[in-house]
Amino acid sequence: GQNIDQPTEMTATEGAIVQINCTYQTSGFNGLFWYQQHAGEAPTFLSYNVLDGLEEKGRFSSFLSRSKGYSYLLLKELQMKDSASYLCAVLDSNYQLIWGAGTKLIIKP
Amino acid sequence: DAEITQSPRHKITETGRQVTLACHQTWNHNNMFWYRQDLGHGLRLIHYSYGVQDTNKGEVSDGYSVSRSNTEDLPLTLESAASSQTSVYFCASSEIVAGANEQFFGPGTRLTVL
Repeated sequence: GQNIDQPTEMTATEGAIVQINCTYQTSGFNGLFWYQQHAGEAPTFLSYNVLDGLEEKGRFSSFLSRSKGYSYLLLKELQMKDSASYLCAVLDSNYQLIWGAGTKLIIKP
Repeated sequence: DAEITQSPRHKITETGRQVTLACHQTWNHNNMFWYRQDLGHGLRLIHYSYGVQDTNKGEVSDGYSVSRSNTEDLPLTLESAASSQTSVYFCASSEIVAGANEQFFGPGTRLTVL
């Protein structure tokens, strides 16, 4: 079956750095996405990786290793507004998005 | 500005009733999707459409149906609502299917089936 694993919850301190991991086993791979979802709101797109390596976008970076079935989202200079759930999703061989259950990130002052 | 809207935002219904959730997008996207989101689960695909008159079943399609008569709308119908269908429902659209096909999500509909 298809499976995406990410930690259920993480806690970090304002101004610090946090890394959210995602491992996947899917039928085919056509890219990996990270979305942010604030409580009670819709998911919004953060990043897309299809090749191995690091993609940097401001305070957020996303890394992919296809051989290891592994990705991480790195958030730097954490702000209170970064408190949200972070969803990892893989585009499979049928171009369907398979979603992880999300990681709830709690930022403490 | 282009957007995707859903209505109603909240709905309470009774077991056995038919319910229709509306989704309307002004992005002019061909691709539209319906997901449900439950605690402890990732978003799960219910139905999707790649264009007018095209509809396809997703992972959890039993008990749901959709129709696509124009580009802008993809209503989701629960034929006979069950308590197991209590969930938050999200509609999404995208310009392309492959590649960096960012999906734009509506605000969600919270459905409670009593």
